[in-house]
Formats: sequence, C-alpha cells, structure tokens
Amino acid sequence: NAGVTQTPKFRILKIGQSMTLQCTQDMNHNYMYWYRQDPGMGLKLIYYSVGAGITDKGEVPNGYNVSRSTTEDFPLRLELAAPSQTSVYFCASSYGIGGGETQYFGPGTRLLVL
Amino acid sequence: AQSVTQLDSQVPVFEEAPVELRCNYSSSVSVYLFWYVQYPNQGLQLLLKYLSGSTLVKGINGFEAEFNKSQTSFHLRKPSVHISDTAEYFCAVSDNTNAGKSTFGDGTTLTVKP
Repeated sequence: NAGVTQTPKFRILKIGQSMTLQCTQDMNHNYMYWYRQDPGMGLKLIYYSVGAGITDKGEVPNGYNVSRSTTEDFPLRLELAAPSQTSVYFCASSYGIGGGETQYFGPGTRLLVL
Repeated sequence: AQSVTQLDSQVPVFEEAPVELRCNYSSSVSVYLFWYVQYPNQGLQLLLKYLSGSTLVKGINGFEAEFNKSQTSFHLRKPSVHISDTAEYFCAVSDNTNAGKSTFGDGTTLTVKP
C-alpha cells in the first residue's frame, strides 16, 4: 500500500512552459486535493475532486487545471508557467464526505519557475 | 467562513522540555480540528484530531491537544520533547458545510535543541 504518490519530486521550468504534476492514490479514496505551500505559509487549496469526473476550484485556481478520469489519479496541469507558481505542491486524499476525515498527503513536488 | 491562526511561527525549545504550540480558530458552525506534522522534505501526516466528545485528544508520538470551545482554541502539547520532534506543525479546521475541505494555519516551526 503506497498511499499517495507524486511525480516528479523536483522540476525546473522556464517561464511560459507547461507541465503536468502526477498524483496517484491506492486507498480507494473518493476525495482528492491539490495544495500549494509557499515558504512560511500554510497550504492553499488549488483544486479538489469529490469523485471521478467531478472537480471544483479551491482558493487559488488561476493558472492551473485538473481532471479526474479515475478514482486513483488526479493530475494537475500548469499552463504557461510563471515565477509566481514557484512552490511546493502537495496532493492529498481522504475517504469520506464529512468534515472530520483525515487527509493523507503525498511527499510533494518542488517546482521552480525561472 | 472558517480561519485558523497559529500564534507562534517559531518555537525553539531544549530537549526534554515541555512545549505548547498554540492554535486559535474561527468558525460559525461546529468544527473538526486537526494537527498535522511535516518533517523536512516530506508531506504532512496526521498527529491527532478532534471530532467530538472528550476535549482532550491524544495523538501519536506523545502529543496531545485540548479543544476549548469558549476560547476557540486547540493547543498542542507534549510534556517532554525529543530532537526527532523538530518539524513544522500545522493546525487545520474543517466542518460539514464546505465539502469537507480543511483550512490550514501558516504553521509553527518547532526546533528542539540538544
């Protein structure tokens, strides 16, 4: 049981390039989330999904897109990368619908946009 | 709307000393409260959570937290810290009105010195 896995671990992008951050979970969780973490700050929600085919915007969605074609996978797409997107990106998942559910996090992807 | 304030951005402490990391929250409905820990270069993992019932919650690694509804606080404590407790600690709040999404504080860096 690998939990939540993310690839790549680290990436450098040039301004204007695009990339996809991969996230996979093997716990059969319904809910999946993408966060970004900037230095000295908490986690900001980018997008989330309540099940395959259903996604919704979080707090900071601009410049990102997501899709959820399967329960296991929740990729995050960056179009036209900007220096402001330099951050650490975490994918997380949880099982239930209620607010008391624990979120399980991946190890993160560090992205540097130059 | 819900919010979380972690009152200390950095807490230095000597090994075997007690520690308290402070967290206040704001919400108009009943809440669930979490403490997560992030070790260097890793994702977040759950330390403990409060759902209902006893206001004193015990978690992993000897940590505990007390839910105080009148003071809207959820402070994390450990009676004797170890070097290995050096990490970033995040307080989070969620409820049943927001698709189970959590709001995270900005984090407290706990540094345990020998």
